[in-house]
Amino acid sequence: QQQVKQSPQSLIVQKGGIPIINCAYENTAFDYFPWYQQFPGKGPALLIAIRPDVSEKKEGRFTISFNKSAKQFSLHIMDSQPGDSATYFCAAGGNQFYFGTGTSLTVIP
Amino acid sequence: NAGVTQTPKFRILKIGQSMTLQCAQDMNHNYMYWYRQDPGMGLKLIYYSVGAGITDKGEVPNGYNVSRSTTEDFPLRLELAAPSQTSVYFCASSPRSPYNSPLHFGNGTRLTVT
Repeated sequence: QQQVKQSPQSLIVQKGGIPIINCAYENTAFDYFPWYQQFPGKGPALLIAIRPDVSEKKEGRFTISFNKSAKQFSLHIMDSQPGDSATYFCAAGGNQFYFGTGTSLTVIP
Repeated sequence: NAGVTQTPKFRILKIGQSMTLQCAQDMNHNYMYWYRQDPGMGLKLIYYSVGAGITDKGEVPNGYNVSRSTTEDFPLRLELAAPSQTSVYFCASSPRSPYNSPLHFGNGTRLTVT
């Protein structure tokens, strides 16, 4: 079964918009929640990560919001740019990760 | 600094053939992983290794084998290829447990089994 559920599958926003990608997990033992960004023909690359002892983490234009009681976390991209167009994967786990199914983001100029 | 290098980039296999996907990293990372990526399915862990001589199964190990004789190399062996193994395969490495350090991915091998 899918350990981490990710939505939406695809997302189109205008430049400057704030796309939001959501993930949910079941296993309360998970204690590390990274987001990876993947461009076509490339492997995923770590974007930002959070641990469950904080509710929010910001790095530049990227923010993770984390709700431990709901077992949900989300990625917000502020002032989105066409260069942000990529596939985004959430993941959860500890020593072993489970990835979400991915969100294809398109930012229209 | 090459990072994680995967070869080949593309391969077409006939059903029943065997092949080895190569993965090498030059960062002296202890942890190495093989994932497969299928459309709409995300990445699934096939096998991983926490150091030379040590390997373990991930979520979807059936039909695959691995070995880790050196820190640098982590080849993935497909025996008796099946159409269900058509996928993009990614190798990754990390210096420590992924709990404490990010995964560094290669650029993938696209495999088609017909």
